[in-house]
Amino acid sequence: AQSVAQPEDQVNVAEGNPLTVKCTYSVSGNPYLFWYVQYPNRGLQFLLKYITGDNLVKGSYGFEAEFNKSQTSFHLKKPSALVSDSALYFCAVRDIQDSNYQLIWGAGTKLIIKP
Amino acid sequence: NAGVMQNPRHLVRRRGQEARLRCSPVKGHSHVYWYRQLPEEGLKFMVYLQKENIIDESGMPKERFSAEFPKEGPSILRIQQVVRGDSAAYFCASSPPKKGLGTDTQYFGPGTRLTVL
Repeated sequence: AQSVAQPEDQVNVAEGNPLTVKCTYSVSGNPYLFWYVQYPNRGLQFLLKYITGDNLVKGSYGFEAEFNKSQTSFHLKKPSALVSDSALYFCAVRDIQDSNYQLIWGAGTKLIIKP
Repeated sequence: NAGVMQNPRHLVRRRGQEARLRCSPVKGHSHVYWYRQLPEEGLKFMVYLQKENIIDESGMPKERFSAEFPKEGPSILRIQQVVRGDSAAYFCASSPPKKGLGTDTQYFGPGTRLTVL
């Protein structure tokens, strides 16, 4: 069965420091991996995705994520956090072999950036 | 280019009434997904539709909830005889026809916030 885990409900980071939001996954085949961000009272916005190729994926707003197949992880990172990065972050995965084309979603991680 | 549109943005209903939530996908997108989100919680998948077909409704409650995506017009999520526990944000997402790599990205609407009094 496919699954996604975001082990931290909340991550607190001081402005200017690097941030990491963790995501691990489980699929039977090869994964497609996604990160989305949700600002208060808004819908989800696509940040970045890994489909194939380079393990380091760069996305919107200076975020990047590294696909690590051996650790089955896809952690979201940013070198220097901004207060405006404070939001809810969701990781999602799809097994390439799944013909249903559905994404499996993590529970979300609340990121709080303190000035 | 218009993104996913949802209306109404806010909907207030009394217990026992019906709620109709509309979703217009991105132009050219043929796949629609509905999700529910309770305050401070993650997304819960409800239903996945293609034009005129329900592909997966495993996340939809068996009673009172239904969804459609007709050949013409928006997708509709319908909740009959609403109860207070139905109060939540309902998000619609769409994705393009499945024609190869990278067509899984879902694009979300702003959501409809349903409040049941």
